[in-house]
Amino acid sequence: GEDVEQSLFLSVREGDSSVINCTYTDSSSTYLYWYKQEPGAGLQLLTYIFSNMDMKQDQRLTVLLNKKDKHLSLRIADTQTGDSAIYFCAESRGAGANNLFFGTGTRLTVIP
Amino acid sequence: SQTIHQWPATLVQPVGSPLSLECTVEGTSNPNLYWYRQAAGRGLQLLFYSVGIGQISSEVPQNLSASRPQDRQFILSSKKLLLSDSGFYLCAWSVVRGFTGELFFGEGSRLTVL
Repeated sequence: GEDVEQSLFLSVREGDSSVINCTYTDSSSTYLYWYKQEPGAGLQLLTYIFSNMDMKQDQRLTVLLNKKDKHLSLRIADTQTGDSAIYFCAESRGAGANNLFFGTGTRLTVIP
Repeated sequence: SQTIHQWPATLVQPVGSPLSLECTVEGTSNPNLYWYRQAAGRGLQLLFYSVGIGQISSEVPQNLSASRPQDRQFILSSKKLLLSDSGFYLCAWSVVRGFTGELFFGEGSRLTVL
């Protein structure tokens, strides 16, 4: 299938905002997700957004969805060193996890 | 609460040797189970998934196989490893009914084939 695209690296200073971008492929995807992978560990679901929403906010996290451009972003306010991780976006192209497609992941490095 | 464990965490194997990675889930019954591979600079690639004992679906033709001998046990195997099999392997589980996209991942197994 077509690739879900993300930039590979992002560096920000502690206290600044981070914005991680993702371009997905299927305009009919129902859910879009952000997963976080801390060093040497598996992925954990961070947040998700349903396709009929434009924005979702959860504490320091803001997810923006532009369906027209098939663009998803994750903004982390007041970025902390503990936010350093790889962030994966994923789109659900159909029912079941076998229709869940992940991006390449963006490695976020927070500089103290 | 549910937990998922996979082992070994790190493995260094010569080309042509066999492979067995194990994954077990506790605290849930009849989960869907998955094996993913994460290669550097590439997204997670779904290798196999299973909806029940003995039921395996392969997403990508390759040198690997999977088995589910028990409800909460998922095994990734190879008879003869290739250099290209190196990578970070992740086991995951999900609920069967009402799946909303949340996968629960194990800690991962890093395989280096020399």
